[in-house]
Amino acid sequence: DLQLTQSPSSLSASVGDRVTITCQASQDIINYLNWYQQKPGKAPKLLIYDASNMETGVPSRFSGSGSGTYFTFTINSLQPEDTATYYCQQYDDLPLTFGGGSKVEIK
Amino acid sequence: EVQLVESGGGLVQPGGSLRLSCAASGFMFSTYFMSWVRQAPGKGLEWLANINLVGSQEYYVDSVKGRFAISRDNAKNSFYLQMNSLRVEDTAVYYCARYQEGYFDLWGRGTLVTVSS
Repeated sequence: DLQLTQSPSSLSASVGDRVTITCQASQDIINYLNWYQQKPGKAPKLLIYDASNMETGVPSRFSGSGSGTYFTFTINSLQPEDTATYYCQQYDDLPLTFGGGSKVEIK
Repeated sequence: EVQLVESGGGLVQPGGSLRLSCAASGFMFSTYFMSWVRQAPGKGLEWLANINLVGSQEYYVDSVKGRFAISRDNAKNSFYLQMNSLRVEDTAVYYCARYQEGYFDLWGRGTLVTVSS
């Protein structure tokens, strides 16, 4: 199965900081990568699709980039409501797989 | 309102069966692939199954192949997950989701399945 390795698994940052999470694929997945936000006790929410396209209604401080095997997800100017776990997900091949998650907390 | 609502979770003994349902509303259900995704307690997300528009094609992760079956009823705007031969490791919150061109763009709130004796 295609593996997605997220880094870091957790981080703590201050309000207003820039936060970057990486997702490395075990093979070339072109841009077939999405990012989700999951707050405690809630369902995941799609933020970014096809590596860099923002879902409707998502704040512009969230962005994604990358292609091939290396992808990044960035939160510009971290806000308290951004406390959550973030997951990448690939759809280049079945089974569809998710990264292990990156937990973002506020200092 | 555009939404998905799961039902059917609960406590079941190892080896038992359970059927989850997902009711869709607020969108044209028959024009979307649909999916089940689960999350074990304190763990990450695991995709389980997809079903195509008319229910003629099903796709599964190996860990549930042969034990779980996804199906849909477009007349009822609903789809299902029949889970047989349940194991302790199937304990999780099960989410139904709408699948569109590679991503899950609408999720239900989830239903908890606990497999325990």
